[in-house]
Amino acid sequence: AQKVTQAQTEISVVEKEDVTLDCVYETRDTTYYLFWYKQPPSGELVFLIRRNSFDEQNEISGRYSWNFQKSTSSFNFTITASQVVDSAVYFCALTITYSGAGSYQLTFGKGTKLSVIP
Amino acid sequence: EPEVTQTPSHQVTQMGQEVILRCVPISNHLYFYWYRQILGQKVEFLVSFYNNEISEKSEIFDDQFSVERPDGSNFTLKIRSTKLEDSAMYFCASSEGTASPFFGQGTRLTVV
Repeated sequence: AQKVTQAQTEISVVEKEDVTLDCVYETRDTTYYLFWYKQPPSGELVFLIRRNSFDEQNEISGRYSWNFQKSTSSFNFTITASQVVDSAVYFCALTITYSGAGSYQLTFGKGTKLSVIP
Repeated sequence: EPEVTQTPSHQVTQMGQEVILRCVPISNHLYFYWYRQILGQKVEFLVSFYNNEISEKSEIFDDQFSVERPDGSNFTLKIRSTKLEDSAMYFCASSEGTASPFFGQGTRLTVV
């Protein structure tokens, strides 16, 4: 079974500050995918990134960056120079890459609510 | 860009009634999912559907729930005899496999 832990329930930062959202995962599978989703107040799930377990390179996309460390089973997400529009709940999720059952469902963490204060 | 479409966006129903939540997955996707998110909580997997049958289901997905792909394009979730605790956001998703799933915008179900 898989498990995703997001220990930070809520974070508040002042606009332009950097913020890191933590994600720790557990799985017995050696190959898996990790995801981050953003859920704004409107409720939809917005895909941010998918990372293969074999690819430990950090990734940067604009103000967003992700740090994947297999040794600590962590996949942390940093927003640089935060903006009010970044206010949302952020979910980390995991799926295995092989399923004889024909299912690649995601296991989500409980989410971190980020509030960016102007 | 292709998208997963869910209808209705919001449904209010009386306790004990049956509801059907509808989804149109992306046309060339083979895997279909329903997830549930109780207000303020995490997104939970309900059921996956592949090759015209349920491939996996969670403990939440009991006899009260059923899924169907009636016409090759729609994917429905039926909840029988709704309870107050069924109030939640229900998300449909589809994927080509291990590729990133596409989520619909969700249906907010309110049971009164």
